[in-house]
Amino acid sequence: GAVVSQHPSWVICKSGTSVKIECRSLDFQATTMFWYRQFPKQSLMLMATSNEGSKATYEQGVEKDKFLINHASLTLSTLTVTSAHPEDSSFYICSAERDGSYEQYFGPGTRLTVT
Amino acid sequence: AQKVTQAQTEISVVEKEDVTLDCVYETRDTTYYLFWYKQPPSGELVFLIRRNSFDEQNEISGRYSWNFQKSTSSFNFTITASQVVDSAVYFCALSEVHGSSNTGKLIFGQGTTLQVKP
Repeated sequence: GAVVSQHPSWVICKSGTSVKIECRSLDFQATTMFWYRQFPKQSLMLMATSNEGSKATYEQGVEKDKFLINHASLTLSTLTVTSAHPEDSSFYICSAERDGSYEQYFGPGTRLTVT
Repeated sequence: AQKVTQAQTEISVVEKEDVTLDCVYETRDTTYYLFWYKQPPSGELVFLIRRNSFDEQNEISGRYSWNFQKSTSSFNFTITASQVVDSAVYFCALSEVHGSSNTGKLIFGQGTTLQVKP
């Protein structure tokens, strides 16, 4: 149990377009999900905390208008990179916290390349 | 502020050697969790262990063991008799508990790349 999926696993898009990444908890409910970003050979940096039914909480320095987060249900959070630029190319990883616990389960990640 | 430091950027060992990955953390909270994750080349994070701040018992799981010492704010990870499959990036992480908010926001260390040569 405790599986988190991400879709797509990789995506290539042109500069100026928007890309949506989905994060789903497949067999548990997650009121809270997290979005991380990882550059090559670097650590994971938390971008935002996604809460079902309320606005996401963004970390300092993360543009909320550029990285739109929607937590539509207890099993789905989406991250939309708007007007993507090459510098947005990165590995995006989501995690879902099982309700009532501090157990956080990670998705397999989405590799975004903006050309 | 919370911070996790993994001073070892890269470690290279020969198969069957023991290796210890260091992790030092900073937090002002008395209640927190510490984690270790493995990230193989595929990129997916693999959960290894979670330890809460009130449990200082060392833990052993197969070839893996963890040494948690609050006095030195360290949570070190040892792999005994390393294998080539252990080659990966290993992250130590800290999660604080904020009252009833229940948010397990993770602060990651910089990661240690372990290369195990045959």
